Amino acid sequence: EIVLTQSPGTLSLSPGERATLSCRASQSVSSSYLAWYQQKPGQAPRLLIYGASSRATGIPDRFGGSGSGTDFTLTISRLEPEDFAVFYCQLYDSSHKWTFGQGTKVEIK
Amino acid sequence: EVKLVQSGAEVKKPGEPLKISCKGSGYSFTNYWIGWVRQMPGKGLEWMGIIYPGDSDTRYSPSFQGQVTISADKSISTAYLQWSSLKASDTAMYYCARPESGYYYGMDVWGQGTTVTVSS
Repeated sequence: EIVLTQSPGTLSLSPGERATLSCRASQSVSSSYLAWYQQKPGQAPRLLIYGASSRATGIPDRFGGSGSGTDFTLTISRLEPEDFAVFYCQLYDSSHKWTFGQGTKVEIK
Repeated sequence: EVKLVQSGAEVKKPGEPLKISCKGSGYSFTNYWIGWVRQMPGKGLEWMGIIYPGDSDTRYSPSFQGQVTISADKSISTAYLQWSSLKASDTAMYYCARPESGYYYGMDVWGQGTTVTVSS
């Protein structure tokens, strides 16, 4: 079973700064099936990025994804006040099973 | 509009059974997988399992296999998550979500969540 490890656990940044979040898989995976989600308090998660680097419909272009193999990154180019939240990476495998990372909290410094 | 609407909050005692629901609308319910995700208080997301309502093909996370049952009634476009005997450790928020093949099985539609509280 593939394990996704996110780092750091918490990122303290100011609005306008750049955020870089990491997701590492325990073995090489297909980047096609790596997604990122944002979850704000009291809300359901929202799909941001799919296929490691493609933005879902309606997601601002300040959100970007990259990576391959075992290392993936979510970048928020300039943090807006509404971006502070918890972010999860997720992997789908061809047997119709999914795995989440443990999450990274982006908090206001 | 594509929507998943979940049943309301539940408060149960240990040992009681429970079945919560997730009703899909605005799309062809039988042609999309529906998954369930647990979020314990203050914790992260855990994928529990998934069902394809068209043929009831069901897959479980090893962590939840044997602990819960996922089912669906395609005649009313509703998926279910059930427990035969709840434990205090089942206290959590439970979300249903729909993977979209066009998003490489990213989950683009989520229910609003059902809070389950198990306490004596």
